[in-house]
Amino acid sequence: EAGVTQFPSHSVIEKGQTVTLRCDPISGHDNLYWYRRVMGKEIKFLLHFVKESKQDESGMPNNRFLAERTGGTYSTLKVQPAELEDSGVYFCASSQDRNWQTPDEQYFGPGTRLTVT
Amino acid sequence: DAKTTQPTSMDCAEGRAANLPCNHSTISGNEYVYWYRQIHSQGPQYIIHGLKNNETNEMASLIITEDRKSSTLILPHATLRDTAVYYCIVRVASAGTALIFGKGTTLSVSS
Repeated sequence: EAGVTQFPSHSVIEKGQTVTLRCDPISGHDNLYWYRRVMGKEIKFLLHFVKESKQDESGMPNNRFLAERTGGTYSTLKVQPAELEDSGVYFCASSQDRNWQTPDEQYFGPGTRLTVT
Repeated sequence: DAKTTQPTSMDCAEGRAANLPCNHSTISGNEYVYWYRQIHSQGPQYIIHGLKNNETNEMASLIITEDRKSSTLILPHATLRDTAVYYCIVRVASAGTALIFGKGTTLSVSS
């Protein structure tokens, strides 16, 4: 079974440009999460999808970040316009949809390393 | 903020058991203890989780104290490939909740 995949693995862009990150979850996983780690900081939650619906966007830093999951399969995270402080590693994770009272195990992709210059 | 406290770093000899402690004194009755690890340049990897009973899987064992205020992750026979940052995370028993990562423990396994 294929794991969570992310594309690209690395991206280097200039300040003010736009970048779109893609995440393909494990097949059959309805839950999809985005996290990121900026330099020297802990891994932080960004948002959570259940199928195509955003369940929790509380971690999105500002309106320069837009996440979508059309059709409930893969997801994209767009940063427009990118700023220097957006540099870091962006992780995607997915999990199965279970009984609401049962916690799920989240499986992470390898991440996309974003460098804004 | 993370609700757990872990040592910054630990060392372990290859082949020996690695015991990683975690304090979570404010844990609530409906919160689980999760362990993840991040090997350099990879995404976090799920290891194990538990509520109040000890748990074991093919990767590790999780020992939770009776009062649930602390736990220990045990890697029974550490290998060089177990060198990683280990995160202890407290999480409510509800699917879909975010993982809150702290600084974790950097485990260095040496030969």
